[in-house]
Amino acid sequence: DGGITQSPKYLFRKEGQNVTLSCEQNLNHDAMYWYRQDPGQGLRLIYYSQIVNDFQKGDIAEGYSVSREKKESFPLTVTSAQKNPTAFYLCASSITGGASEQYFGPGTRLTVT
Amino acid sequence: AQTVTQSQPEMSVQEAETVTLSCTYDTSESDYYLFWYKQPPSRQMILVIRQEAYKQQNATENRFSVNFQKAAKSFSLKISDSQLGDAAMYFCAYRSSSGTASKLTFGTGTRLQVTL
Repeated sequence: DGGITQSPKYLFRKEGQNVTLSCEQNLNHDAMYWYRQDPGQGLRLIYYSQIVNDFQKGDIAEGYSVSREKKESFPLTVTSAQKNPTAFYLCASSITGGASEQYFGPGTRLTVT
Repeated sequence: AQTVTQSQPEMSVQEAETVTLSCTYDTSESDYYLFWYKQPPSRQMILVIRQEAYKQQNATENRFSVNFQKAAKSFSLKISDSQLGDAAMYFCAYRSSSGTASKLTFGTGTRLQVTL
């Protein structure tokens, strides 16, 4: 089965700790994305990557970091510099160009206390 | 920068009836793509329908259709014969056709309730 996996589904951390969210896809897509979802605000783009070893900041990149060492993987690190890290995080992937849709993972709910 | 506005935070429809969800967007580009995504309680985002701006014909997918008004920058979603399984958050999204980046700009969503 082709798809996107995100783990874990729920994650709890203490304030001041960095935490890494996993995203893996086996769809052979070049592009991958990280979104943050807060109540009443829709989805906002954190980072995206169009190709291995390259990535760009999205609209709300402050306090986050990513890496893209493999085509299949695009982990997101929420650093202690992120002021309001508690949110629902969605990873997506797509082919590049055209009217290509983005395929989404099931998401990770991060709670920082 | 492009913006997407969904002015209806919540909508309700009776089973088997028709409902229309509104979406407007702001852009200076002439070529772009528009999408409607559905997010059920499981929170899994699912593509409902897409529209290429260069196509005048409105897209349809079974019970789902759009009313794309390019001059008015409007992209509404019509759901016919509503079913209980249609209850979800619906997000309108915009994507530029320039460059290779496929990043989406989302609206804030409309929560659709389906009643018996």
